[in-house]
Amino acid sequence: KNEVEQSPQNLTAQEGEFITINCSYSVGISALHWLQQHPGGGIVSLFMLSSGKKKHGRLIATINIQEKHSSLHITASHPRDSAVYICAVYSGGSNYKLTFGKGTLLTVNP
Amino acid sequence: DAGVIQSPRHEVTEMGQEVTLRCKPISGHNSLFWYRQTMMRGLELLIYFNNNVPIDDSGMPEDRFSAKMPNASFSTLKIQPSEPRDSAVYFCASSSYRVGDNEQFFGPGTRLTVL
Repeated sequence: KNEVEQSPQNLTAQEGEFITINCSYSVGISALHWLQQHPGGGIVSLFMLSSGKKKHGRLIATINIQEKHSSLHITASHPRDSAVYICAVYSGGSNYKLTFGKGTLLTVNP
Repeated sequence: DAGVIQSPRHEVTEMGQEVTLRCKPISGHNSLFWYRQTMMRGLELLIYFNNNVPIDDSGMPEDRFSAKMPNASFSTLKIQPSEPRDSAVYFCASSSYRVGDNEQFFGPGTRLTVL
C-alpha cells in the first residue's frame, strides 16, 4: 500500500464546477505539498502546509493532521486548471525527502 | 525573481553517449534536489544537496549517474554512458531549508531521450 493515496485518480468536470481532490497518508508527516503539472510541462508548487488551511486565488488547501488527510479545492474551475495534481509528504522524520502520491488527472471541459 | 533554471530543455542522444544536465537553483536557496520522472515509477529523488554537499544519493540508480554542485548557483547531473532506459524527464528543485519552510520549487525539467 502506497504511503500516500490520492482520490480520485481521474476527474472530469465542467467549467465552473467546484473541484475537490483528496489525499490520505498513513504515516506521521511534518508537512504536505500540493503540486500541479500540466501535460508535458513542468511542476509547480501550489501549497506547502502543515496545519489548517491556505488559499491562493481560486485554490484552497486544507489539512487535518489527526485524520491524516488533506484536500485541494478549486472553485469556479476553468479549462486551464486541467492538469495532474500531485500530493507529496515529508514523512519518517525527513524534512527533505518527499513521498509522492500517484497524482490526480483533472480535465475541465468548456 | 527567476525560478529554477534547467538546461537543456530537451536532449536526444544515442546510447553510449555522455549526457550532462544543468541546473541553476533559486538565488538564496541552500538545498537542491534532482528528480527523475517516468510513467512507470513517477517522481523519484535521485540526489539531495544541502549547502553544496551531497547528503543523500541513495536514489542514484547506478555508477553511470553522477552529480556535482561546485557552488551554490550551479549543479550538474551526468549520465555516462547513457542507455535507453534512462529516457525520462529530469527535474531539478531547490528550497531554502528553513525550519517550517522547506517548500520545494521545481524547474521546467529536461526531457531526455536515449535512442
